Amino acid sequence: NAGVMQNPRHLVRRRGQEARLRCSPMKGHSHVYWYRQLPEEGLKFMVYLQKENIIDESGMPKERFSAEFPKEGPSILRIQQVVRGDSAAYFCASSPLAGVADTQYFGPGTRLTVL
Amino acid sequence: EDQVTQSPEALRLQEGESSSLNCSYTVSGLRGLFWYRQDPGKGPEFLFTLYSAGEEKEKERLKATLTKKESFLHITAPKPEDSATYLCAVQTTDKLIFGTGTRLQVFP
Repeated sequence: NAGVMQNPRHLVRRRGQEARLRCSPMKGHSHVYWYRQLPEEGLKFMVYLQKENIIDESGMPKERFSAEFPKEGPSILRIQQVVRGDSAAYFCASSPLAGVADTQYFGPGTRLTVL
Repeated sequence: EDQVTQSPEALRLQEGESSSLNCSYTVSGLRGLFWYRQDPGKGPEFLFTLYSAGEEKEKERLKATLTKKESFLHITAPKPEDSATYLCAVQTTDKLIFGTGTRLQVFP
C-alpha cells in the first residue's frame, strides 16, 4: 500500500509566478489536509478537503492561495503570484475518516523556493 | 486559544542514556494526541495516538503517556538512529495543532 505521494519534491519559482503542488492520498483515504512548515517553525494547518469539497480553509491565506480535490485525480494546492515569504515546505496528509481522532499520514513534502 | 508546547527544544543524549520529552497542551476539547517523528528533509512519520488520560502506548524503545494536561515520550536506551525531531500534535476538530518539536541527537 503506497503512502501519501507528493510532487514535485522540490519546486523553484521566481516572484510573480504560479506554484502548483500535487498530493495523492493513500489508497482508501478520502480526506486530505495541507500543512505548511516555515523554517524554524512548527507545522501549520492550511486546509482540509474531501472529494470535491473544501471542509475547512481557516488556515489558508485569503489571497493567492487555493486548493481543490477533484472527483478524479490528486489534490492540488495552488499559489498564485508567489512571493519570497511563500518559501516553505508544504506537506499533505490523508486519513480514512473524519469526525473522530483518526490518524493523519503525511507525505514527503514539496519544498518551494521563491527566488 | 488551543496551544501545544514542547520541551526541551533540543536534547543531546549519549547512546543508552534514557530520557523523556514533554508535550503540554491547553485545548477546548481533546479528541486525540499524536506523536510523530520527522527526519531532516522528510515528512512526519506517525508514531502513536493517545485518546484519554492514563493511556500508554509502546513501540520498541519509545513509550508515550498521556495526562489531562501533558504527554510524555519516554526513550529508553536510545541509539543513534533515534536521532530526529519529535513532534507532538493535538486534534480538537479535524485539523492537527503542532508543537515546534524537540530535536533529539543521540551520540555513540
